[in-house]
Amino acid sequence: QSALTQPASVSGSPGQSITISCMGSSSDVGTYNYVSWYQQHPGKAPKIIIYEVINRPSGVSNRFSGSKSGNTASLTISGLQAEDEGDYYCSSYTSSGAGVFGTGTTVTVV
Amino acid sequence: EVQLVESGGGLIQPGRSLRLSCTTSEFTFGDYAMSWFRQAPGKGLEWVGSIGGEGSGGTTLHAASVKGRFIISRDDSKSIAYLQMNSLKSEDTAVYYCARGMYQFEYWGQGTLVTVSS
Repeated sequence: QSALTQPASVSGSPGQSITISCMGSSSDVGTYNYVSWYQQHPGKAPKIIIYEVINRPSGVSNRFSGSKSGNTASLTISGLQAEDEGDYYCSSYTSSGAGVFGTGTTVTVV
Repeated sequence: EVQLVESGGGLIQPGRSLRLSCTTSEFTFGDYAMSWFRQAPGKGLEWVGSIGGEGSGGTTLHAASVKGRFIISRDDSKSIAYLQMNSLKSEDTAVYYCARGMYQFEYWGQGTLVTVSS
């Protein structure tokens, strides 16, 4: 199972919106709604910020939103803040029953 | 508060075996699938495998990269998930995380570092 494809880096100014894409295939993102997104700060464990494509866990800022179109899922961060800097990973269920992560995207607030 | 704590990591020689534990608390362990992940230094997250909860009969799935070498198991009486790692290679060097869930992972442990080196 190949990793889902994400841009290596995305940057934005405080207050701006950015979108991170997660490109998969019909064997994963395109067929299943078990797409989730994780935020990871250096030296820390990942934290779930979106599950089942569009849902936010309790306590996660509503500045984070998810969507999906075809084989590509997206994470949008609105009103970018310094604390949003970090690495972001998408994940999807696959037709083999296994899980697969994206290649990861580093978000920089400039 | 749900807690997951990994343990058992350390420095190990190539070819040897190591067992990691994921000790959990504050939720009904048997009701949930558990998963293991790893992250090599400076690299991205990799799913290692998952084990279903009681209702699944303990069905396990393993990534192709570890199949035949790594085994995931669980002890519901102790609320612990295990990752048995055999025939370790240098490329298995990583921080290993456990998390609750099969398809999406709401709670994570802090990770334990495994270094495979002679």
